[in-house]
Amino acid sequence: QKEVEQDPGPLSVPEGAIVSLNCTYSNSAFQYFMWYRQYSRKGPELLMYTYSSGNKEDGRFTAQVDKSSKYISLFIRDSQPSDSATYLCAMSARGNTPLVFGKGTRLSVIA
Amino acid sequence: DAGVTQSPTHLIKTRGQHVTLRCSPISGHKSVSWYQQVLGQGPQFIFQYYEKEERGRGNFPDRFSARQFPNYSSELNVNALLLGDSALYLCASSLGGPTDTQYFGPGTRLTVL
Repeated sequence: QKEVEQDPGPLSVPEGAIVSLNCTYSNSAFQYFMWYRQYSRKGPELLMYTYSSGNKEDGRFTAQVDKSSKYISLFIRDSQPSDSATYLCAMSARGNTPLVFGKGTRLSVIA
Repeated sequence: DAGVTQSPTHLIKTRGQHVTLRCSPISGHKSVSWYQQVLGQGPQFIFQYYEKEERGRGNFPDRFSARQFPNYSSELNVNALLLGDSALYLCASSLGGPTDTQYFGPGTRLTVL
């Protein structure tokens, strides 16, 4: 079993839809959880950063962490074609330690 | 402020050759990490440096080495290149504190023929 599991998709939604992206993990030591967005052939861009359990909202993006279920989610409201990218979940046991990534989910938002 | 910069952008090498990739962190960041991202996969951790000292090493062969300079920039070296080394090599920097997260550069795309 991989430490971090993420459905690679691809996921295709119409513009304006609510998108739900998820990751599960097996290492209970993980406390820091991140979502990165990666456009084709570019480096990952940090979207959301959460410590421990709970929700965090930033504009159209909401990150949720459920440590009891070892499950994290990213919700995108009112999705736009510019949101089309690969979304990577990442996590670590302590801040500034090596990140463990999921495989990434490829999202397409169709106008 | 400039983000993390990496050079070169693209590189084509043949099997058995050596390659050096370079990274300049965000100003003020003292920690640099290297990741390898094979097509269709998430990044895999290779090395982390903080204040010129190696902080961590991933599960990569000894052909991979790195160092960090006094100005906090870093080099990743790969010897005896194999076809399987073809990937996007990402550099990430952070301040180095216990709650700090990592910001990635655009990567260097290495193709080994």
